[in-house]
Amino acid sequence: QSALTQPASVSGSPGQSITISCTGTSSDVGGYNYVSWYQQHPGKAPKLMIYDVSNRPSGVSNRFSGSKSGNTASLTISGLQAEDEADYYCSSYTSSSTLRFGGGTKLTVL
Amino acid sequence: QVQLVQSGAEVKKPGASVKVSCKASGYTFTSYYMHWVRQAPGQGLEWMGIINPSGGSTSYAQKFQGRVTMTRDTSTSTVYMELSSLRSEDTAVYYCARDRSPDSSGCPYVWGKGTTVTVSS
Repeated sequence: QSALTQPASVSGSPGQSITISCTGTSSDVGGYNYVSWYQQHPGKAPKLMIYDVSNRPSGVSNRFSGSKSGNTASLTISGLQAEDEADYYCSSYTSSSTLRFGGGTKLTVL
Repeated sequence: QVQLVQSGAEVKKPGASVKVSCKASGYTFTSYYMHWVRQAPGQGLEWMGIINPSGGSTSYAQKFQGRVTMTRDTSTSTVYMELSSLRSEDTAVYYCARDRSPDSSGCPYVWGKGTTVTVSS
């Protein structure tokens, strides 16, 4: 089973907003509201940023938001900060009762 | 606080097996599903499977069916992931991750620090 499709890289300047897409199928992203987003800094474990498409765990900045339309989910980061530079991964529950991750997106803050 | 402590790094030869442990603390062990996720060097996250610590039921990614076994020991609040018939492509950091809520089985939330497994002859 291949990974969900994410852009390999995105970039933005401090203060700007960026959006990362995550495209799947009707058997995963489009079929369930169980899309999550993770932030991973080099050498560190992933950190949950968004769950159930658009919910933020306690402690996560409200600069991070999530949405979904059809088979594509999106993560938007507003007011970019240097500390946001990291790899971002989406994940989705699937019709096979498994979890599927995206290939990852490297965010560069210019 | 919720904590997952994983076992130390391993070096294995091709064809061997490896067993990684993940000791949980700070919450009711049997109330939350536990995932195993791996990450090869320079690559993305790959979901391997999930175990329900309450009854021990498991679900594995198709890719690992027949090669992976996830178990738990409720007396020590520890889950284990054993991967057999190792090959060089299994070189990766292996993470255990507790799910977000007792009602959820699709959202790894609290992550261990990872265990590096190197497969080399």
